[in-house]
Amino acid sequence: EVQLVQSGAEVKKPGESLEISCKGSGYSFTSYWIGWVRQMPGKGLEWMGIIYPYDSHTRYSPSFQGQVTISADKSISTAYLQWSNLKASDTAMYYCARRRAVAGVYYFDYWGQGTLVTVSS
Amino acid sequence: QSALTQPASVSGSPGQSITISCTGTSSDVGGYNYVSWYQQHPGKAPKLMIYDVSNRPSGVSDRFSGSKSGNTASLTISGLQAEDEADYYCSSYTSSSSYVFGTGTKVTAL
Repeated sequence: EVQLVQSGAEVKKPGESLEISCKGSGYSFTSYWIGWVRQMPGKGLEWMGIIYPYDSHTRYSPSFQGQVTISADKSISTAYLQWSNLKASDTAMYYCARRRAVAGVYYFDYWGQGTLVTVSS
Repeated sequence: QSALTQPASVSGSPGQSITISCTGTSSDVGGYNYVSWYQQHPGKAPKLMIYDVSNRPSGVSDRFSGSKSGNTASLTISGLQAEDEADYYCSSYTSSSSYVFGTGTKVTAL
């Protein structure tokens, strides 16, 4: 069974750093890209960026470039989303999702359960 | 990259058909047949309903169908059921090798 299991909810203060994770199982982790999607409270989905765990090739949305870092450790089938200086505006639910690493496939077929990040002083 | 434009809400009576539009540009929706649709129930993760404009993943009801004309894609739900009440988001691959989501549509079965 394909699963993307994300790390648990986090409560942080402004200025702190944070790393959340997304562990894939039930499939070949290096055969799929992992994307990250933000959903602010009561708002829509926003694409943040994507990583190919096979070689760690990464692309970011211009809106998130420089604001977050996406990484992956293929040895443990896990992708990460990292902040070095959290802001209150980073409060949101964050989802990971996989996209098959084949030309012509540009949809996300499995999603993680989401990680709620709350940033408050 | 601006979000694709969707109506904020669409409603219909059970059994009726409804259509949700998703308008982009020639750099995304109009330029590629890589439009997908996602269903999101409250408090849940999104679920893929349609990919590549009109293809349904295994397990998705054939009451859901997709199409595209020019810069506008559409999702049609036939025979609307109470369980279809959810938020729906379109998404497209873009000319800058990125992705863009729609603004989202809340579907209500009256």
